[in-house]
Amino acid sequence: GAVVSQHPSWVICKSGTSVKIECRSLDFQATTMFWYRQFPKQSLMLMATSNEGSKATYEQGVEKDKFLINHASLTLSTLTVTSAHPEDSSFYICSAPVGGDTQYFGPGTRLTVL
Amino acid sequence: RKEVEQDPGPFNVPEGATVAFNCTYSNSASQSFFWYRQDCRKEPKLLMSVYSSGNEDGRFTAQLNRASQYISLLIRDSKLSDSATYLCVVNPSTGGFKTIFGAGTRLFVKA
Repeated sequence: GAVVSQHPSWVICKSGTSVKIECRSLDFQATTMFWYRQFPKQSLMLMATSNEGSKATYEQGVEKDKFLINHASLTLSTLTVTSAHPEDSSFYICSAPVGGDTQYFGPGTRLTVL
Repeated sequence: RKEVEQDPGPFNVPEGATVAFNCTYSNSASQSFFWYRQDCRKEPKLLMSVYSSGNEDGRFTAQLNRASQYISLLIRDSKLSDSATYLCVVNPSTGGFKTIFGAGTRLFVKA
């Protein structure tokens, strides 16, 4: 089946640093990928839609200058959390659609900002 | 009103019990519906799609009621391994993948 990977699986960083998270589709091409954020005991919230070859589309309330998205190729999208702060600590998950309207999710990246 | 609302949890049931989850959605034009399962600190995994005619996969049955704008998930003969959070997911648009997640319902199955 389709596989989506994320790297790193977890990261701890100091406040003010930037963190890059990679999302890869391993055996298929994805012109679109989605980035979600999930806080403890809450559901996934869509942050942005990553589009290969064009700018990402951000959801209302998500700062595009803080969460930089680059869809560099048909198999790779990156999310960079710039100047991270403790309130950015969360579980970040990417997904890619595979045929029809099914999505496959990456394993997630747990970010902890000290 | 939230776009997708689910039963508040948690549900605590004994092994072998039958448990049902409901989910309502606000956009009557929504096209696709799914149930996902999410284990603690893991990514969501597709459990099953939900069709107007209803569908069944082993112990799991999903149904859609478009008129009332709700979907349901029935789990029969609950197993300990069914303990997880169940997410109701709605795709509001045709040909798109922008899905809306419910807040999830936690299920604990106990021996």
